Amino acid sequence: GAGVSQSPRYKVAKRGQDVALRCDPISGHVSLFWYQQALGQGPEFLTYFQNEAQLDKSGLPSDRFFAERPEGSVSTLKIQRTQQEDSAVYLCASSRLAGGFLGYSEQFFGPGTRLTVL
Amino acid sequence: ELKVEQNPLFLSMQEGKNYTIYCNYSTTSDRLYWYRQDPGKSLESLFVLLSNGAVKQEGRLMASLDTKARLSTLHITAAVHDLSATYFCAVDEETSGSRLTFGEGTQLTVNP
Repeated sequence: GAGVSQSPRYKVAKRGQDVALRCDPISGHVSLFWYQQALGQGPEFLTYFQNEAQLDKSGLPSDRFFAERPEGSVSTLKIQRTQQEDSAVYLCASSRLAGGFLGYSEQFFGPGTRLTVL
Repeated sequence: ELKVEQNPLFLSMQEGKNYTIYCNYSTTSDRLYWYRQDPGKSLESLFVLLSNGAVKQEGRLMASLDTKARLSTLHITAAVHDLSATYFCAVDEETSGSRLTFGEGTQLTVNP
């Protein structure tokens, strides 16, 4: 079956532009995560959705970052007024269950979107 | 704040040699994962460790978890060039749907 897909795979933006990154999780997966991976670093958590509810956005670095998952499937990460420090790979992951204290639920990662801000 | 530390960060080794990568973490979680990442690629799941004393092996790689010491190891046996990649450990915080905190990664190069 299809895995997690993300689009675009590459995005070049001029500083100050707005960008929107899309994630298509595995069908039926309850949980969806966004991570940011800077060059040479490990991924860092940005935000978490359980179905359409955004339950944790503590990792979003500023109010320029906004994520949504309005129908509990596809998610969009939007970055307004991009800055050079936003350049990174943005990874989306989904898992079948709610996870957390309810128990283990493996996360499946998409291929990522590489954002370069000039 | 949960901290996950890997060492070494860079590892260059010869084919046929053995080595161990260490992952220390600062919380009481007993869910830890190892991932492999090739340049320009996403994360490939290698091992899922869900209890104290868990040991998993796949080919030349073996991972273990000691939750009391808050330590996981990834042991490489008789390395081959195809193992060259960056390896990450990640700790499940058991909150927020199991958000993961990753280590910095160990960049492994296996030389012929």
